[in-house]
Amino acid sequence: DQQVKQNSPSLSVQEGRISILNCDYTNSMFDYFLWYKKYPAEGPTFLISISSIKDKNEDGRFTVFLNKSAKHLSLHIVPSQPGDSAVYFCAASGYNQGGKLIFGQGTELSVKP
Amino acid sequence: ETGVTQSPTHLIKTRGQQVTLRCSSQSGHNTVSWYQQALGQGPQFIFQYYREEENGRGNFPPRFSGLQFPNYSSELNVNALELDDSALYLCASSSSGQGISHLYFGPGTRLTVT
Repeated sequence: DQQVKQNSPSLSVQEGRISILNCDYTNSMFDYFLWYKKYPAEGPTFLISISSIKDKNEDGRFTVFLNKSAKHLSLHIVPSQPGDSAVYFCAASGYNQGGKLIFGQGTELSVKP
Repeated sequence: ETGVTQSPTHLIKTRGQQVTLRCSSQSGHNTVSWYQQALGQGPQFIFQYYREEENGRGNFPPRFSGLQFPNYSSELNVNALELDDSALYLCASSSSGQGISHLYFGPGTRLTVT
């Protein structure tokens, strides 16, 4: 029962272009969504989040969009840089669930110079 | 400020054995969560500890158990190891009262069961 899905295992983008990573969820009780970035031999690091009361959150080059009716969110990286190459995980949670996050399978982003 | 640390980095065990993984929380954090990340999958929640008590558990059998110590460090114990237990085990610490985005992960312990 995969409640959070990232259907693209990998994505390759040219430096300077936009990277769009997608995530779908099935549980309508989720009300907080996060994106994590993971480099090899390191733990996931928090990137950006969005509450279900919003449809967009922006932080520098990173923007997350939430479409609640479609149960879909996406992460946009503009412009993409080679240092952005990593595995990106989408995660979801509900209020009062503490540290319990439900993660997607991850998308490996490769940004080529 | 010291981040989340985990030991050992890598571990090889035989099916049926028992293993203990260790985690030191980030300074000031009183809550620890453990996640299992199988190859090609996202991290999966095992359980969380707060004030030395289990405070939420995912869909893992009882042979997965944990401890949290007064200094907020933590252990994950797995008994009767199975081949499917081979995975990266991630520890994450946080402080109660902060938002869920304030969850800091350690680098993980890579467990291989043969």
